Amino acid sequence: GAVVSQHPSWVICKSGTSVKIECRSLDFQATTMFWYRQFPKQSLMLMATSNEGSKATYEQGVEKDKFLINHASLTLSTLTVTSAHPEDSSFYICSAREMRGTQYFGPGTRLTVL
Amino acid sequence: AQSVTQPDIHITVSEGASLELRCNYSYGATPYLFWYVQSPGQGLQLLLKYFSGDTLVQGIKGFEAEFKRSQSSFNLRKPSVHWSDAAEYFCAVGGNQGGKLIFGQGTELSVKP
Repeated sequence: GAVVSQHPSWVICKSGTSVKIECRSLDFQATTMFWYRQFPKQSLMLMATSNEGSKATYEQGVEKDKFLINHASLTLSTLTVTSAHPEDSSFYICSAREMRGTQYFGPGTRLTVL
Repeated sequence: AQSVTQPDIHITVSEGASLELRCNYSYGATPYLFWYVQSPGQGLQLLLKYFSGDTLVQGIKGFEAEFKRSQSSFNLRKPSVHWSDAAEYFCAVGGNQGGKLIFGQGTELSVKP
């Protein structure tokens, strides 16, 4: 149990385009999901907290107009990187929080912006 | 300030040897503590967690961790390491409210034959 999926697992796009990443909790409902960014050989950096049916809460320094988050259902949250640039290239990981507080992580999405 | 410190950036152990990965935390409220493992290019897998009760918790893959409140520590241990344990290990602390986790910088474990 407690499986979280992400799609796509990797994506390459041109500079200026937008990319959408999906995060799904497959066998449990998650009122809260989280989006992280991870640079090589570094820890996870929390970008935003996504709550079902309400606006996401962004961490300081994260541009909410650039990283659009939607949490339309209890099993799906999406992250859209708008007008992507090479500096947005990174490994993006989502997690879903089950009722007792444990976060289960997705397998990650490798984004490369050319 | 809330923080997690993993003092060892990289550890190398021989296969079959015992392992201990250190984790110290600073957290204002009752901590929820976690250990996750990450293989290259993958997401994080939960090894074990501590919410309350018995301070020695058992996890998957033969790992265990002990919560020591007086030392603000939650060290991860395994009695006999396998080559497949080579990965990055992250300690994290959070509270039930909000659910945000604070991660340590990670410890990279290498296993030599």
